[in-house]
Amino acid sequence: DAGVTQSPTHLIKTRGQQVTLRCSPKSGHDTVSWYQQALGQGPQFIFQYYEEEERQRGNFPDRFSGHQFPNYSSELNVNALLLGDSALYLCASSSRVFSPSGANVLTFGAGSRLTVL
Amino acid sequence: AQSVTQLGSHVSVSEGALVLLRCNYSSSVPPYLFWYVQYPNQGLQLLLKYTSAATLVKGINGFEAEFKKSETSFHLTKPSAHMSDAAEYFCAVSDRNAGNMLTFGGGTRLMVKP
Repeated sequence: DAGVTQSPTHLIKTRGQQVTLRCSPKSGHDTVSWYQQALGQGPQFIFQYYEEEERQRGNFPDRFSGHQFPNYSSELNVNALLLGDSALYLCASSSRVFSPSGANVLTFGAGSRLTVL
Repeated sequence: AQSVTQLGSHVSVSEGALVLLRCNYSSSVPPYLFWYVQYPNQGLQLLLKYTSAATLVKGINGFEAEFKKSETSFHLTKPSAHMSDAAEYFCAVSDRNAGNMLTFGGGTRLMVKP
């Protein structure tokens, strides 16, 4: 089982540019969530996708957008990059199939580290 | 709104000593609670979760946590630290109606001295 895979692992952009990050969920998972982890901080929820639609969104501007494909993979797009967008972007997948415990656990990828200069 | 506070951004223990990482949460309804560990250049790995069954939850690598509703706490403990436990630890909370959306604390970096 490959788990959650993210690409690229590292990238450098300049202010004002646009970036696309990609995520393949764990086999059997149909829901993808994206988190931003700034240096020295805990991850912050950006948004969640299932059935190819954005279902929940955190407190992030419209410059952050996403997409989910029929195979459940997902992209995170950030436009007009700011220095403050430098962070580790984590993708997490889960299943919407009911869990007896009531909490469907997230499986995280290793992240894409974005540096904005 | 939910929030999570992890007291102590850095904790240092000697190998073999007790590990105690503190987590307090605020939530309007009984939440789900989680502890994750992050090793350098890696993603988050689930250590354990509380979902309203037993209040003492056992996780991987010898860690456990106790849910105390009266104290709104979910502290993580391990009786004897190992060098391999050195990592960043995150406490997280999820509203039962939030569909897996996690709110994380700021993290605690655990250092283990030989």
